[in-house]
Amino acid sequence: DSGVTQTPKHLITATGQRVTLRCSPRSGDLSVYWYQQSLDQGLQFLIQYYNGEERAKGNILERFSAQQFPDLHSELNLSSLELGDSALYFCASSLTGLQNSPLHFGNGTRLTVT
Amino acid sequence: AQKVTQAQTEISVVEKEDVTLDCVYETRDTTYYLFWYKQPPSGELVFLIRRNSFDEQNEISGRYSWNFQKSTSSFNFTITASQVVDSAVYFCALGAGNNRKLIWGLGTSLAVNP
Repeated sequence: DSGVTQTPKHLITATGQRVTLRCSPRSGDLSVYWYQQSLDQGLQFLIQYYNGEERAKGNILERFSAQQFPDLHSELNLSSLELGDSALYFCASSLTGLQNSPLHFGNGTRLTVT
Repeated sequence: AQKVTQAQTEISVVEKEDVTLDCVYETRDTTYYLFWYKQPPSGELVFLIRRNSFDEQNEISGRYSWNFQKSTSSFNFTITASQVVDSAVYFCALGAGNNRKLIWGLGTSLAVNP
C-alpha cells in the first residue's frame, strides 16, 4: 500500500460531461502529480503541485485543470470530455517534489467516456 | 535532449529463468537520477529503486539486481529465477537538469509463464 488514495476507482460518463478525480497524498508528502496512462500513449505527465502551488506542467489539455488544497489533497477536473480521454489517471506523491524524490502512486481512476 | 529508451516492448520467459530488462538514457546533465517502477496487472505503479549519477555501484535486492553503467548510459534490471508474480510492466525513468518532470520509457511488459 503506497499510502496514496485515489477516488473514485472507476468512472463511466458521457461525452461532453465534466468529472472530478480526487487524490490524497501519502502522509508527509508535499508534492502531488497527475499522470494519464492510455494504451496508445503510455504514461503521460499532466501536472505537478508542491504545497499548494503549481510546480510543473506537462501535456495537460486546456479542458483539464487541477489544484492542490491547503490540506494537500488534490483534484483533477476534466471537462468537455471526449472519447479519447478514456484512460487510467494516476495520482502520485513525493516528499520534496524534487527530481530525486521517488514517486508513490495511487491505484488510479479508470475513466471511460462513452 | 533527455530521453529514455526501453527497446524491449514485450518479453516472455518461463518461470525460474533469469531475465534482463534494458534501459538506455540520454542526458547532458552530470547530475541525474534513474528510477525503475513496476506496474503489475492490478494496475498500481510501484517504486523499485533510485540511483543517482554519482553512484555506479550495482544494487541487489533479493532476486532483483540493477546494473548502472555510465559508459554505455544504461541502467539495466535483472530478475534472477523469475516467478509468475514478476509478471508486470516495468518502467525506467530519468530525472535530470532543470526539467522538473521525470522522463519515462515506454515500459517493458514481462510475462513469466509457469
